[in-house]
Parts: sequence; structure tokens; C-alpha cells
Amino acid sequence: NAGVTQTPKFRVLKTGQSMTLLCAQDMNHEYMYWYRQDPGMGLRLIHYSVGEGTTAKGEVPDGYNVSRLKKQNFLLGLESAAPSQTSVYFCASSYTEREKLFFGSGTQLSVL
Amino acid sequence: GENVEQHPSTLSVQEGDSAVIKCTYSDSASNYFPWYKQELGKGPQLIIDIRSNVGEKKDQRIAVTLNKTAKHFSLHITETQPEDSAVYFCAASVPTSGTYKYIFGTGTRLKVLA
Repeated sequence: NAGVTQTPKFRVLKTGQSMTLLCAQDMNHEYMYWYRQDPGMGLRLIHYSVGEGTTAKGEVPDGYNVSRLKKQNFLLGLESAAPSQTSVYFCASSYTEREKLFFGSGTQLSVL
Repeated sequence: GENVEQHPSTLSVQEGDSAVIKCTYSDSASNYFPWYKQELGKGPQLIIDIRSNVGEKKDQRIAVTLNKTAKHFSLHITETQPEDSAVYFCAASVPTSGTYKYIFGTGTRLKVLA
């Protein structure tokens, strides 16, 4: 039982490059989330999904896009990376919207 | 707007002493309050949670209290051990667009000194 798996674990990008972060969960959870974690700012919600084929904006969605084509996968895309997007990104999932969140181990992204 | 304030940002205690972390929230519609522990290089993990119809919940050395009137909740760790050293985050569920989302506090770095 892997839980929530994020790939890659580390990535370095140049300004303007694009990339996709993959999140996969094997718990049949409906809800999936992407957060970014910056020093002194806690976890901020980027986008979330309440089920397959749905996505919605969180607190800090600018510069990111997401897709949930399959229930178990939630992709986070950066079309044109900026240094302000240097952060640690966490994916999480839950069975319902007010239940325990299961987090992945994070992706450290640096944009130069 | 929606906000969760968490204090202190860092906390050092001697092994065996108690630690208390406090959070306040702004949205009175919040009704679920989880606490997460994050160890270095790992994702946060739920350690305890409380719902708005309960005032206190305990799980061995960990307890959470909720004061709905004052809109604050606290994490209490008794008999602290070195393995309790980590960053702790509080969160509050907030209704939005027909569902709920979590607003997290900014975290407390707890150091337990042996």
C-alpha cells in the first residue's frame, strides 16, 4: 500500500521552462490537493479536485494548471516557470472534504 | 478573510516537560481542526483532530482543546520525548464553493532537548 506517491522528488528548472508534477494515490480517494510550502508561510493550497474530471482554484493558483483525468492521478503543471515558484510542493488526498489528509513526501523545485 | 494564526513559531522544551501550541481561526463556519506533524524531509502526517461538537480529545500523550466561542484551539503534548521534535501545523476547514478546504497555520518548530 503506497498511499500518495509524488514524482519527481527533486527538480531544477530554468526560468521559462515547463514541467509537470505527478501525484498518484491508491486509496480510492475522491479529493486531491496540491499545496506549496514556503518558509514561514505554512501550506498554501494551489488547486484541488473533488473527483475525477473536476478541478478548482485554491489560494495561490496563478502560474499553475492541473488535470484529473483519472481518479487516482492529479497532475500539476507549470507552463513557464518563474523563480517565485521555487518551493516544496506537496500532494495530498482524502476520502471526503473534512477527513484526514494523506500527504506525499514532497517535490523540491528550484527555478533559476 | 480566512486566516489561521499559530503561535509560537519556535518552541524549545526539556525532555519530559509539556509543550503547548495555540491556533486561532477567523471563520466561525469552520468545524474540523486537524493537527499535523512534519519531520524533516517528509510530508505532514495527521496526529490528532477535533470536530466542533467536541471540546477536548486525547490520544495518549497528545491532546487537543477547542474553544468555539473564542475561535481558538490548542495542541498539548505531555512528557515530551526527543522524537517529538518536528514542525507542527494546525489547520481549520473552511466552507468554499460547495465543499471545504483547509487553511493551515504557519507552523511551530518544536525542539525537545535531551
